[in-house]
Amino acid sequence: EIVLTQSPATLSLSPGERATLSCGASQIIGSSHLAWYQEKPGLAPRLVIYDATRRATGIPDRFSGSGSGTDFTLTISRLEPEDFAVYYCQQYGKYGLTFGGGTKVEIK
Amino acid sequence: QVQLVQSGAEVKKPGASVKVSCKASGYSFTGYYIHWVRQAPGQGLEWMGWIIPNSGVTNHAQKFQAWVTMTRDTSISTAYMELSSLRPDDTAVYYCARGREGSGLEAFDIWGQGTLVTVSS
Repeated sequence: EIVLTQSPATLSLSPGERATLSCGASQIIGSSHLAWYQEKPGLAPRLVIYDATRRATGIPDRFSGSGSGTDFTLTISRLEPEDFAVYYCQQYGKYGLTFGGGTKVEIK
Repeated sequence: QVQLVQSGAEVKKPGASVKVSCKASGYSFTGYYIHWVRQAPGQGLEWMGWIIPNSGVTNHAQKFQAWVTMTRDTSISTAYMELSSLRPDDTAVYYCARGREGSGLEAFDIWGQGTLVTVSS
């Protein structure tokens, strides 16, 4: 199974700042089969990015995904109050589906 | 609108079984895989497996192969996930989610609201 390691565990930022979240894989993820989800307390996760770089329906363009192979990044260009949440990466390559441990983006 | 609606919270004793339902609406139920994901309190997300609604074929994460059963009833567009021999560490929120591509190896674009299963004596 592919293990995903997210860093940092917590990111303390102010509204308007740029957030950069990292997700590292223990093996190469084929076809850039990597997604990012946003989770808020008491709510189900919400798909933000799929196939490493594609924004899901309804996701604002301040969210962007990049990377390939074993290193992936989610960038939020200017944080809005509603963006403070936990973000998980997920890989869906040929060795099965796994999630990272999450990065909490909190208000500084 | 496209949605998945899950059954309500459950409280079970150790050793019991629980069956969670996930009703799809707003799209063709047989056209997309249904995945199951769990989240223990304060923990991350853990993929459990998927079911192909059209055929009933399932695929489990290795950890869950022996004690998770996934089924579906296409007549009512509903998927089910049953866990047997429950232990206290099975206490978690269980989610169903729709795979966006119909391949099994895919991101999840629609999620149910989650079902809290509490296992306690």
